[in-house]
Amino acid sequence: DAKTTQPPSMDCAEGRAANLPCNHSTISGNEYVYWYRQIHSQGPQYIIHGLKNNETNEMASLIITEDRKSSTLILPHATLRDTAVYYCIVRAPITNAGKSTFGDGTTLTVKP
Amino acid sequence: GAVVSQHPSRVICKSGTSVKIECRSLDFQATTMFWYRQFPKQSLMLMATSNEGSKATYEQGVEKDKFLINHASLTLSTLTVTSAHPEDSSFYICSAILAGAETQYFGPGTRLLVL
Repeated sequence: DAKTTQPPSMDCAEGRAANLPCNHSTISGNEYVYWYRQIHSQGPQYIIHGLKNNETNEMASLIITEDRKSSTLILPHATLRDTAVYYCIVRAPITNAGKSTFGDGTTLTVKP
Repeated sequence: GAVVSQHPSRVICKSGTSVKIECRSLDFQATTMFWYRQFPKQSLMLMATSNEGSKATYEQGVEKDKFLINHASLTLSTLTVTSAHPEDSSFYICSAILAGAETQYFGPGTRLLVL
């Protein structure tokens, strides 16, 4: 599975948008981009995923560049509860023996 | 989203004993489950991939005789840490993928402390 690169930490003001970047320059054509977050001492929580097109759900938006070599997770109105470690993962489909390999992620701190 | 549970949530055991951790998909069938462990201030490390009805596939460096994985049904996978030692103390997390889908859901984790 492709390796991802994320900044180790970011700060965001409460109520503002948080934009978390991820580089995945070696992504293969069949690999999805997944985003998870982990709040201290809990299991990771699924946020969103996409293949080529931008995606939006009730939690966040995912913007994938046209060449698919990078993506940005957008939390439109960050709250204090969004403080967590955010992981960007690229993974092949399970039918292709895909498995999620976690990097170090980005620690997002939302400040009042 | 789909719910994955783990039991127990935390366990303390003596060195040399075996500990079993259960991972259940509560509202969906999971043909594939994964086991991770996470040491303090580190990221999750994949230990093994578990497919229902077949032997688990272990990642390099993970001892299959020490970490026994059984995936006997579409809703249950178990991880047994055999002859646990203090260095096995960690946060163990399972995840499951809905059969026929791609989204991976994680359990809440099990904190193991070996004295």
